[in-house]
Amino acid sequence: QVLLVQSGAEVKKPGASVRVSCKSSGYSFTSYYVHWVRQAPGQGLEWMGIINPNGGGTNSAQKFQGRVSLTTDTSTNTAYLELSSLTSEDTAVYYCARSPPGRSYFGYWGQGTLVIVSS
Amino acid sequence: DIQMTQSPSSLSASVGDRITITCQASHDINDYLNWYQQKPGQAPKLLIYDASNLETGVSSRFSGSASGTNFVFTISSLQPEDIATYYCQQYDSLPFTFGQGTKLEIK
Repeated sequence: QVLLVQSGAEVKKPGASVRVSCKSSGYSFTSYYVHWVRQAPGQGLEWMGIINPNGGGTNSAQKFQGRVSLTTDTSTNTAYLELSSLTSEDTAVYYCARSPPGRSYFGYWGQGTLVIVSS
Repeated sequence: DIQMTQSPSSLSASVGDRITITCQASHDINDYLNWYQQKPGQAPKLLIYDASNLETGVSSRFSGSASGTNFVFTISSLQPEDIATYYCQQYDSLPFTFGQGTKLEIK
């Protein structure tokens, strides 16, 4: 079955960077896009960006540009989100999700990774 | 960015009730509108894609419809397991955006 398994919770200090991984299985990794969505405590969902594992093309929301990096490792079927210059406002659960190419509906999600930014 | 205005923000209803949630897009999104259900501590679950298509394996008591920039999500007969927060999401234009969510409670 399709699975997206994310790395564990992180606690980071302001100004640091965090890398979250999302390991996919049960499907052809390069045939689907990977999106990143985050959710601050008690808040709604916020789309961060998209990566095409077939070629590595990316696009991210303007508010994150300059401090977000989306990458994939096709040898391990893993997608990565790296977010730098963290502030307390980046405290959130970060999700990866899969979509078919060109059709950005998210039928499969990772379990979420809690990132806490605190001094 | 396309703004998705979702209402109501919360809703209390009885088991068996028909409930509707609406989402209005700030621009035409060509029906590229999805609906998700999220229960506490869980990842969202896709229910409806492209405004009116039921995701495989999802109960037929969930449905969606569209009229221009207005979208409606309906639960035909509310069940206790439907208690959750529901979100709409557009993917016509980057950045993809979500509605603010509707928290559904049982009376």
